[in-house]
Amino acid sequence: EVQLLESGGGLVQPGGSLRLSCAASGFTFSTHAMTWVRQAPGKGLEWVSGITVSGGSTYHADSVKGRFTISRDNSKNTLYLHMNSLRAEDTAEYYCAKVRLEYCSSTSCYSAFDIWGQGTMVTVSS
Amino acid sequence: QSALTQPASVSGSPGQSITFSCTGTSSDIGGYNYVSWYQQHPGKAPKLMIYDVSNRPSGVSNRFSGSKSGNTASLTISGLQAEDEADYYCSSYTSSSAPVEFGGGTKLTVL
Repeated sequence: EVQLLESGGGLVQPGGSLRLSCAASGFTFSTHAMTWVRQAPGKGLEWVSGITVSGGSTYHADSVKGRFTISRDNSKNTLYLHMNSLRAEDTAEYYCAKVRLEYCSSTSCYSAFDIWGQGTMVTVSS
Repeated sequence: QSALTQPASVSGSPGQSITFSCTGTSSDIGGYNYVSWYQQHPGKAPKLMIYDVSNRPSGVSNRFSGSKSGNTASLTISGLQAEDEADYYCSSYTSSSAPVEFGGGTKLTVL
């Protein structure tokens, strides 16, 4: 079964740090670009970060640029999101998702995510 | 404020057809054929329903169809069923700093 399983969410104080993980199974992780998408409580979806197959290129939304870093370990089939200088507005459910196309190196690949994890909640509050 | 504009809510009766709209600009929807639609039930992860404007992933019912005209994309559900009640989000590739943007979502109520 194709599956993504996020972990690492929790309650953190403003200015704090957190690392989210996303364990992939059931597909060839190393041939797909990956992404993080978040959803604040009661709000819509917001794209956060993306990473290419090799991890050589990463992309971040302006709202998290300089604070969040996406990375991956293909030997462990795991995607990460390192979050620093957290703010109240970062409070959200964080989903990892798989880019639909294999070996896609263009940023246009981030237009379709066919597998999503169940999400992990991050709450930034004092 | 989402970059793509969707109506906040729509409603329909079982068996009807219903169409969602998603309006962008020439820098996103109008400029590329990379529009996707996602369905999200409460407390669940989003599910890809349409990609590249009008393509359905394997396993998605053919009651769902997508199209585009100019800067506006549309998702149509035919033969509306109770299980279709959910939030629907459009997304598009964009030439802005982020490669993808989402609409604010439309809540579908099946009467």
